Amino acid sequence: GDSVTQMEGPVTLSEEAFLTINCTYTATGYPSLFWYVQYPGEGLQLLLKATKADDKGSNKGFEATYRKETTSFHLEKGSVQVSDSAVYFCALSDVRDSNYQLIWGAGTKLIIKP
Amino acid sequence: ETGVTQSPTHLIKTRGQQVTLRCSSQSGHNTVSWYQQALGQGPQFIFQYYREEENGRGNFPPRFSGLQFPNYSSELNVNALELDDSALYLCASSRKTGRDYGYTFGSGTRLTVV
Repeated sequence: GDSVTQMEGPVTLSEEAFLTINCTYTATGYPSLFWYVQYPGEGLQLLLKATKADDKGSNKGFEATYRKETTSFHLEKGSVQVSDSAVYFCALSDVRDSNYQLIWGAGTKLIIKP
Repeated sequence: ETGVTQSPTHLIKTRGQQVTLRCSSQSGHNTVSWYQQALGQGPQFIFQYYREEENGRGNFPPRFSGLQFPNYSSELNVNALELDDSALYLCASSRKTGRDYGYTFGSGTRLTVV
């Protein structure tokens, strides 16, 4: 079945460092791909999405490109801030029994030190 | 526009009891999905409701049941609570084509079973 694999955390970086969080997926169809962020004590917020191959999603300085050839959707940011500390989830959505349930990775905790 | 609202925010129940969690969907959204997020893990799909009917179900036993009302709000009911049911329960609303639009999540209900 469909699945999402993320790099294990925690990932600890200094402020202004470059960030990459790896995400790969397996899917039988043509999924849409998402990154969600969860701040401490809060629910999940959609960070960015891409719905077809070679699409680039971007938001708040974060970017991810839908790579069908490598089945990847890595999250990147050029210069992280302390406020980016959170748990990041990669997810895919594909039709199953007429619904587009989200299949999630385990999450990657990001810690940014000043 | 209003977001997704869940109630209560926290709940403590005893094993064997029953619980009802509530969710108000975002304006303009007609589909509600419920997810269970255990500590340190990604969310797991419980079920989805569309037009007041169940529209897909994950690998959860029948003691997990739900309802959707004409105003698109929803309830999640869990009978015969077990210790392993302790988790964050997330409600997400979307338009029917959740694949492309992504989901809007509530902040969740933290259920503790003792």
